[in-house]
Amino acid sequence: QSVLTQPPSASGTPGQRVTMSCSGSSSNVARNTVNWFQQLPGTASKLLIYDNDERPSGVPDRFSGSKSGTSASLAISGLQSEDEADYYCAVWDDNLGGVLFGGGTKLTVL
Amino acid sequence: QVQLQESGPGLVKPSETLSLTCIVSGDSISRYHWSWIRQPPGKGLEWIGYFYDTGSTNYNPSLKSRVAISVDTSKNQFSLRLTSVTAADTAFYYCARERSHTVDCAFDMWGQGIMVTVSS
Repeated sequence: QSVLTQPPSASGTPGQRVTMSCSGSSSNVARNTVNWFQQLPGTASKLLIYDNDERPSGVPDRFSGSKSGTSASLAISGLQSEDEADYYCAVWDDNLGGVLFGGGTKLTVL
Repeated sequence: QVQLQESGPGLVKPSETLSLTCIVSGDSISRYHWSWIRQPPGKGLEWIGYFYDTGSTNYNPSLKSRVAISVDTSKNQFSLRLTSVTAADTAFYYCARERSHTVDCAFDMWGQGIMVTVSS
């Protein structure tokens, strides 16, 4: 069974740089592009990063994505209190023939 | 500006059919691929399925036997039907748009979501 693994939690203080990972396999992350979504409390998700490292218009350059092999990462620099949210990675899985979401990482700004 | 708005009953009885609609405004529904995604309270996101711009569909294998997604181009809306629901289907349901013609789950537009509870 295909799975995308994200750490359940991450934290940082204002101004810090934090990273969070998304670990997959040869049928998903290794072969296909990774996307990242931000879900603020009580709201729908927002596309934060697409195609591994591209930012949609309006997303601050404090947010960046990368991928290597079967893992991808989201980095947030200059952490702000409004960045406190849940972050999900998503990727197409060739075995599933559909979309896999990671379990999400809850980011706390201390 | 493109907007998506889900509508439908917030309460469905066990074994019955959940039916939701997503009304798309600001662009033609025929130009994109569309998805339904759900999120049980306090849990993560689960992809339900796609309706592609070609008119074909693709469903999560775990739901495939119970789900159908269709599009009404005349009303610029698309719909979700999930049959034989149980409490495990209680979730926020979101409609979403694929960003480009490439199917790579880059959902750039989302509805606000609708909470559906399965209970007698």
